[in-house]
Amino acid sequence: GAGVSQSPRYKVAKRGQDVALRCDPISGHVSLFWYQQALGQGPEFLTYFQNEAQLDKSGLPSDRFFAERPEGSVSTLKIQRTQQEDSAVYLCASSSPGVPAFFGQGTRLTVV
Amino acid sequence: DQQVKQNSPSLSVQEGRISILNCDYTNSMFDYFLWYKKYPAEGPTFLISISSIKDKNEDGRFTVFLNKSAKHLSLHIVPSQPGDSAVYFCAASGSGNTGKLIFGQGTTLQVKP
Repeated sequence: GAGVSQSPRYKVAKRGQDVALRCDPISGHVSLFWYQQALGQGPEFLTYFQNEAQLDKSGLPSDRFFAERPEGSVSTLKIQRTQQEDSAVYLCASSSPGVPAFFGQGTRLTVV
Repeated sequence: DQQVKQNSPSLSVQEGRISILNCDYTNSMFDYFLWYKKYPAEGPTFLISISSIKDKNEDGRFTVFLNKSAKHLSLHIVPSQPGDSAVYFCAASGSGNTGKLIFGQGTTLQVKP
């Protein structure tokens, strides 16, 4: 596609519910990143894939957060047993070597 | 511990004037710096970048200056236009990975007609 596509755009989850957020990167981009952006803050790095390999997951806040990219293209960020502090915008970005990261529009998650 | 700081939450400028957005960082290992612009309900859009081997990079109305000794960078927009009104994020990378970024908190720029 022309850009990074994320779905859904908005998600409301009840506390304790599991959610799955999808990211379609720019075609051909080998690197994919997930970020979390709290209200009034800058994005914070969660995890990074190069093709299907998850090379860095140092930013994942807890073991309730899990990301995968099984075929090196589409990625899913899963949050288990959501809590109110998980409410944020989740941004996906993709890039190729030497190219700045391009971001999707994000998924706004609200946990009630 | 905020490694990238944008100390001005907001800035208001008259159309046609210069906008100067500032950013400070603490990690001397950062070697690549970027500015992103963000409109409401959209993701950040890449604006301009600079490598640590340079002290200036210019692209049209946008110029980024890097002062490594002061660990400071700034974005100049000349002339400012109402369409420039957005949140501007400074970001830094030190791993050679241009996508793993440390972001500042953002500065909201308002350009008044």
